[in-house]
Amino acid sequence: QTVVTQEPSFSVSPGGTVTLTCGLSTGSVSTAYYPSWYQQTPGQAPRTLIYSTNLRSSGVPDRFSGSILGNKAALTITGAQADDESDYYCVLYMGSGIWVFGGGTKLTVL
Amino acid sequence: QVQLVESGGGVVQPGRSLRLSCAVSGFTFRTSGMQWARQAPGKGLEWVAVIWSDGSEKYYADSVKGRFTISRDNSKNTLYLEINSLRAEDTAVYYCGRFLGGVWYFDLWGRGTLVTVSS
Repeated sequence: QTVVTQEPSFSVSPGGTVTLTCGLSTGSVSTAYYPSWYQQTPGQAPRTLIYSTNLRSSGVPDRFSGSILGNKAALTITGAQADDESDYYCVLYMGSGIWVFGGGTKLTVL
Repeated sequence: QVQLVESGGGVVQPGRSLRLSCAVSGFTFRTSGMQWARQAPGKGLEWVAVIWSDGSEKYYADSVKGRFTISRDNSKNTLYLEINSLRAEDTAVYYCGRFLGGVWYFDLWGRGTLVTVSS
């Protein structure tokens, strides 16, 4: 069974930079998995941030960026703000109409 | 404006069935691939099912295969998810959304409907 791994929690100082990662239990994450990233605050619907590894969704500030770092997908937030405190989920497309969510990272800004 | 509005959630007894709906407006539903995801209380998001724009292809997460059925009515701009033999572990907020083929991601989301399975 494919497991997509994310850090359970992370902390960043206001104005700081943080990189969240998204790994795969069966091997390396590449652009072929079309990694995408979603932000969710409690009680709210997910908000799409990044798709196809590094493309920003409409209206997403450029302090959010996506990449492949080593064998993982990564979401970097530069100049973190208080309202970035959220849960962040990566999703990988496994092909043949199947997607898998990571377990999510709870980001604290303090 | 774009709207995806889920409905049909509620408190249901174990073993019963339920059909969720997702009414769509503001974009061309008949040419859009659609999906369902869910989130159990205090847990992460889980992808559940997807259906191609013409309904020709449907795919499911292993965890729901055989009990969940995704369908759509393009004449009513509505997506459905039928859940049979409900279990306590199906308790979750169910979100509908649109996926974009080729770039394979979910670009639009509804606000969700809560399903609680309890006797």
